[in-house]
Amino acid sequence: GIQVEQSPPDLILQEGANSTLRCNFSDSVNNLQWFHQNPWGQLINLFYIPSGTKQNGRLSATTVATERYSLLYISSSQTTDSGVYFCAVVNSGTYKYIFGTGTRLKVLA
Amino acid sequence: GAGVSQSPSNKVTEKGKDVELRCDPISGHTALYWYRQSLGQGLEFLIYFQGNSAPDKSGLPSDRFSAERTGGSVSTLTIQRTQQEDSAVYLCASSLAAGFYTQETQYFGPGTRLLVL
Repeated sequence: GIQVEQSPPDLILQEGANSTLRCNFSDSVNNLQWFHQNPWGQLINLFYIPSGTKQNGRLSATTVATERYSLLYISSSQTTDSGVYFCAVVNSGTYKYIFGTGTRLKVLA
Repeated sequence: GAGVSQSPSNKVTEKGKDVELRCDPISGHTALYWYRQSLGQGLEFLIYFQGNSAPDKSGLPSDRFSAERTGGSVSTLTIQRTQQEDSAVYLCASSLAAGFYTQETQYFGPGTRLLVL
């Protein structure tokens, strides 16, 4: 089945710094989502981005489907950005999300 | 309006017992999703409902797991003959759109923490 790898596994930033999180996947997808889980466990769906670029405030995401990767950019990071970021993909023709193992981000004040 | 709610918030059960977990999606949301997260682990997708129908049940971990949705609203995830490895947080989400490949945002409930002794 499709494999999803995220990097880096852990990231520590000073408040105000920028970061790039990466998601690689091994097969064609027609659905890719980014999620954020805060330190208290609450999940937020950040982006639906099977291709192209989207921006939402300080966060933006780009997926290059032909090269099988997606990037999540966090600019001017804040302590509230801390948590785990997951990407999830859906292999074409299926109805099942496959998750990456996540990037754990800690933003220091 | 209210968000996605799940009940119970916590459940402790003995190995071999059956449990039912409930999800109340946001009113009017057609799509509903179940996930689970084992302690300190990542996320695992279980099943997706489009209305009352689940087009793919292969994400359910074993035949002890079943899920249903009635009236296009409430969903129940049932685990029969629970095992210790079933211990996890079970998360439910809903979204407005009926299609799986859509831009609609998923809204998550707080989860049910299941502990099987």
